[in-house]
Amino acid sequence: QVQLQESGPGLVKPSETLSLTCTVSGGSISNSYCSWIRQPPGKGLEWIGYMFYGGSTYYNPSLKSRVTISLDTSKNQFSLRLSSVTAADTAVYYCARFLAVTGFDYWGQGSLVTVSS
Amino acid sequence: EIVLTQSPGTLSLSPGESAILFCRASQSVSSSYLAWYQQKPGQAPRRLIYGASSRATGIPDRFSGSGSGTDFTLTISRLEPEDSAVYYCQQFGLSPLFGPGTKVEIK
Repeated sequence: QVQLQESGPGLVKPSETLSLTCTVSGGSISNSYCSWIRQPPGKGLEWIGYMFYGGSTYYNPSLKSRVTISLDTSKNQFSLRLSSVTAADTAVYYCARFLAVTGFDYWGQGSLVTVSS
Repeated sequence: EIVLTQSPGTLSLSPGESAILFCRASQSVSSSYLAWYQQKPGQAPRRLIYGASSRATGIPDRFSGSGSGTDFTLTISRLEPEDSAVYYCQQFGLSPLFGPGTKVEIK
């Protein structure tokens, strides 16, 4: 059973960079898209972006200028960096495994990140 | 840019009844790339349906999906109290997109 777990600071100051890591256990991230999705408090789900195991990245156009997703296959981890954050970036951030035919099949439990000074 | 609309916004039903949730896309979506997720409070979303009508592993057959083109449906038969949740449709092309969700309340 594949399991994903997010980790990182729960509080980030405005204008700084949000950084989160997702650790995958119980399976490999090969041949899948390593994804980040967020959910502001009380609101819906927003896809941030994903990185294919082979290295290609795809980002939500609305966030593209601020987002970087990277992969560390040796540690079975992938990471999210979101720069120049504002209060609007306060959300629960989920990592998830995405397969091109079947969607987001495994999710982390989510990590609440609050942007505040 | 595709926009997904879900209706109704909220559905309040009694145990044993059936819920029909709608997802409409602003332009045609391949049914191969349409999924449904369930999210309970404080939990991560759980995939229910992919390919518009294929149930994910472990999902009860009370959940069924259908549709094509711009109109898709999730039907929950024989509602149980544990089905109380928000349900999201999602299309996945190069830029995955979630609908705004339908909240299902069990009376």
